[in-house]
Amino acid sequence: GAVVSQHPSWVICKSGTSVKIECRSLDFQATTMFWYRQFPKQSLMLMATSNEGSKATYEQGVEKDKFLINHASLTLSTLTVTSAHPEDSSFYICSARVGGDSYEQYFGPGTRLTVT
Amino acid sequence: GQNIDQPTEMTATEGAIVQINCTYQTSGFNGLFWYQQHAGEAPTFLSYNVLDGLEEKGRFSSFLSRSKGYSYLLLKELQMKDSASYLCAVLDSNYQLIWGAGTKLIIKP
Repeated sequence: GAVVSQHPSWVICKSGTSVKIECRSLDFQATTMFWYRQFPKQSLMLMATSNEGSKATYEQGVEKDKFLINHASLTLSTLTVTSAHPEDSSFYICSARVGGDSYEQYFGPGTRLTVT
Repeated sequence: GQNIDQPTEMTATEGAIVQINCTYQTSGFNGLFWYQQHAGEAPTFLSYNVLDGLEEKGRFSSFLSRSKGYSYLLLKELQMKDSASYLCAVLDSNYQLIWGAGTKLIIKP
C-alpha cells in the first residue's frame, strides 16, 4: 500500500511555456501533499506544503505565482510551472502523508523537467 | 537555526558493515526518519525512530539518542544494490520534516 504516482515522469518544454505535473495517491487519501525540488547532487528542497481544499504554504524564496499548486482532492495535487526558464530544469518530487498519527511521507517517482 | 549533519560520502566493501551517522539540532523533535535514494529516483522509506534505542529491520538497523541529538543507520552484509544516498530527516516541533543533505554510499566489490 501507500503508493504515490507522478505524471509525467519526464518532460521537455520550451522556455516561456507552462508545464503541469500531477501527483496522485493511489491507495490512500492524503491529507497533506508536499512538493520538493532536487538539483543534481543536492538534497531535497521543500517548495510547498498543500492541504486538500486550502491554499498551499510556500517555503521562503519559492515564488507562488510561478509555481502554482492545486490540491483539489484527497488523492490529487498538481504543480504548474508557469513561464518556465532553463533554471527551472530540475527533478520535481511530490510526497503524500496520510495524516492522523502518521508523519511518514510516501514519495512519488519524481518528474524530470528540462527547459530548453 | 535548524541543522542536520551527515557525512557527504562514504565508501564500503561488499559484504561488510557500514554505519552512517546523523546529528541534529532542531526546534523540537517528533521523530527521525531514514530514507534511501538511488540516483535519479525518489526517496524510499527505511526507518522511523521516535524513542531512544535500536530498531532492527533485516540488514538495516537505526539507532537514536535524543539526549545527544544523534542517530545512525547501520547496514550489514552490504550488497552492490545498497549503493545510494541515505537521507536523515527530523520531524520538528511543527511536524515539518527537516532534511539532511544526504550521504552518498559507494559500495566496492
